[in-house]
Formats: sequence, structure tokens, C-alpha cells
Amino acid sequence: SAVISQKPSRDICQRGTSLTIQCQVDSQVTMMFWYRQQPGQSLTLIATANQGSEATYESGFVIDKFPISRPNLTFSTLTVSNMSPEDSSIYLCSAEGGNEQFFGPGTRLTVL
Amino acid sequence: GENVEQHPSTLSVQEGDSAVIKCTYSDSASNYFPWYKQELGKRPQLIIDIRSNVGEKKDQRIAVTLNKTAKHFSLHITETQPEDSAVYFCAASSTDSWGKLQFGAGTQVVVTP
Repeated sequence: SAVISQKPSRDICQRGTSLTIQCQVDSQVTMMFWYRQQPGQSLTLIATANQGSEATYESGFVIDKFPISRPNLTFSTLTVSNMSPEDSSIYLCSAEGGNEQFFGPGTRLTVL
Repeated sequence: GENVEQHPSTLSVQEGDSAVIKCTYSDSASNYFPWYKQELGKRPQLIIDIRSNVGEKKDQRIAVTLNKTAKHFSLHITETQPEDSAVYFCAASSTDSWGKLQFGAGTQVVVTP
């Protein structure tokens, strides 16, 4: 199984600012993903973080708002840009390992 | 794209009884169906999954059934215990979209002693 860590675990930010979330996997993985979980809701896929190329975004999510980096097979970052209170959510990194998909602990973001 | 519906949204059971959660999906190309358990403030944890080449899978008190013709799959928890209380999510993905999980809305399960 893959062990996934994220930093920060939580943050409170002012509207209009940006926050970068880091995701580290303890082994090399082909696929990494970013999900959002709004308060009391289910998980929604934001994008696939592709190593060596641009991320692939799902409908409703754009690169200008959620730029993603994937410099190697164990690490990815998600930036939430020009934040508004509607961006308050938990952001989760995910990776596949051993034919299963695992999740990081999440980053709880509150935008004031 | 894929659409996954999950019912019920809340489920209250007495300790020792069984719990059943049902999901339907829309994309016939979906062939991987995991179930996640999420406790309050924690990450989703995979508890069981099933692929389209089997109709049922069991792991101790947990079982999942899949009906590909009807496009529905279910989670069965027997002999429920208070520690089974959590939110359970079903999900679906296809080989072409491996890792791109489409989640159901979730079921809040409360097991009362």
C-alpha cells in the first residue's frame, strides 16, 4: 500500500490570497489525483496530476484557479488561487498503489 | 460521464443487525467499484472493492455484490458494531479512467448499542 502525507494539514486564509498544498507519497506511483470534499459532501475529482506534462482537469475546474505541479513520481502540489470563501473545503491527494487507490489525510482550508 | 447514486443518505441500525447500502451507476464502461469508510475528521479508507468480472466479494463481516446488467452494487455489513459508525462512500471508475473515481453522495451509518 502507499502511504500519503500532505502539508499543511489545515490553514485559514484571507480571500484573494493563494495556498499551495503539498502531497508526498512514500513510493513511486504512476497516477496521482487531487480531490475536493466540501463540508458535509462527497468527494469530487479536481484533476489528474501527470508527471512531466500538464495536469488534466475535470469539468468545472481550470488550471488558472487550481495550478498543479508533478515534478516526479512521488510528489505533487495543488495551488488554490485567488481564494474566496466558496473554496473552503478539504483538499485530498490520492494515489494508486498495489491496484488500489489511497488517500492522503487531507488539507482543511478555511477562507475568510 | 459517470453518475453514481447512493441510498440511503442515513442509516440507523441496532448493534448486531445488518446494514445494506445501495449504489447505481450510469456508465456501462465502469468496471471497478470500491467502497470507502470515512470517520469524522479522517481520510477515506478503502474497505472493500469489486471488479466487474465477479458478482460478489466478502471480507469477514463486509460483503459487496455487483449486478452489471442492472448497473448496481451494494455493500452489506453484518453483525454491526458501534465502530462501524461512519460515512460510507461508493465509487466507480473504468479501466480507461483508472483512478478517476466518481463518488456517490455518501451514507451516514449510525450503530446504536
